[in-house]
Amino acid sequence: EAGVTQFPSHSVIEKGQTVTLRCDPISGHDNLYWYRRVMGKEIKFLLHFVKESKQDESGMPNNRFLAERTGGTYSTLKVQPAELEDSGVYFCASSEDRRYGYTFGSGTRLTVV
Amino acid sequence: AQSVTQLDSQVPVFEEAPVELRCNYSSSVSVYLFWYVQYPNQGLQLLLKYLSGSTLVKGINGFEAEFNKSQTSFHLRKPSVHISDTAEYFCAVRYNDMRFGAGTRLTVKP
Repeated sequence: EAGVTQFPSHSVIEKGQTVTLRCDPISGHDNLYWYRRVMGKEIKFLLHFVKESKQDESGMPNNRFLAERTGGTYSTLKVQPAELEDSGVYFCASSEDRRYGYTFGSGTRLTVV
Repeated sequence: AQSVTQLDSQVPVFEEAPVELRCNYSSSVSVYLFWYVQYPNQGLQLLLKYLSGSTLVKGINGFEAEFNKSQTSFHLRKPSVHISDTAEYFCAVRYNDMRFGAGTRLTVKP
């Protein structure tokens, strides 16, 4: 089966611009998660979708971040306007059953300059 | 609240030596425990997981981990490492969502 796909793999944008990251989960996985790793620190939870609904968005840093999951399929994470501290690697993961481990994508490395 | 502590940020070892990467967690309820590995320029890959049952869990690439409830630990071990094991390793605990440690960078030297 195809894995979790994220694109772009890298993005370099200027402060104040908008960037949209996309994640395509494994087909049939209702659970989709976004995580972020900033500057070599721990991987931090951002939010969790169950199908198209946001189950938990307690990790979203502020209202510059907007996540959507259209029709319970792919998801986008938009940062508008981007700030320097938003630089990091954004990971998406999906799972069929919340009890088990997640399958992660390769991540999007975002650099805000 | 859940938290995960990886006690070593970097572990350098020589090839064919044994290695232990330490992980401690805090949680007031039963949790599921995981180890993930990230090779350079790749995503996170599941190494092994503990859900229930035997406290010794075997994973891919010859790694294993032991769940110790009394010490709230889930240390990762490999008896003989290879150059190809050079990567960053993340311990994670899952209750409602997955929480990760800060990672341990394992460097295997020839």
